[in-house]
Amino acid sequence: SQQGEEDPQALSIQEGENATMNCSYKTSINNLQWYRQNSGRGLVHLILIRSNEREKHSGRLRVTLDTSKKSSSLLITASRAADTASYFCATDATGANSKLTFGKGITLSVRP
Amino acid sequence: EAGVTQSPTHLIKTRGQQVTLRCSPISGHTSVYWYQQALGLGLQFLLWYDEGEERNRGNFPPRFSGRQFPNYSSELNVNALELEDSALYLCASSLKYNQETQYFGPGTRLLVL
Repeated sequence: SQQGEEDPQALSIQEGENATMNCSYKTSINNLQWYRQNSGRGLVHLILIRSNEREKHSGRLRVTLDTSKKSSSLLITASRAADTASYFCATDATGANSKLTFGKGITLSVRP
Repeated sequence: EAGVTQSPTHLIKTRGQQVTLRCSPISGHTSVYWYQQALGLGLQFLLWYDEGEERNRGNFPPRFSGRQFPNYSSELNVNALELEDSALYLCASSLKYNQETQYFGPGTRLLVL
């Protein structure tokens, strides 16, 4: 079963708007990571947040982590058409021995 | 710096055949991970190799196997191919395990007919 479950499954917004994507997981984690995938190709690492961190920023990305609720959110501000992609959260669960567990992903479409 | 490379990019096989996929990690990375991304199933962890040893294995049958060479490149072998093996196979590498970022290659798309 998937450790990470993203929602919504699909999101369509206008360029310039903010996009918020959520991820929930089931077990305790060492860290949670967000990746982007364009057109079914390789994944690009976006940001990693450790279990003792609550918020992290990288450019237009803001990630939050709530370990009590076992959830994370990824906010992309001022979206661009180039942000159109699938986004995945991945958890490095405690004791998982470097096995990353991915959710099924969120398809983000940014309309020009 | 070159990223993770995979070959071939695309592959078509028939049921029962065997396939070998190849991955070269980023220079200096010792860990290689393999994932399967089948339609509708998301990414599933297959195998992790570090320093030439298999360190972890996902929930896949034994016909999925691999190895890591002294130069840290890796092969994924799939025997007795089944239709449901059709997927994008992604390789990733990292400097060290636990809390390190995995860098992904472009993948090999396998179609089993």
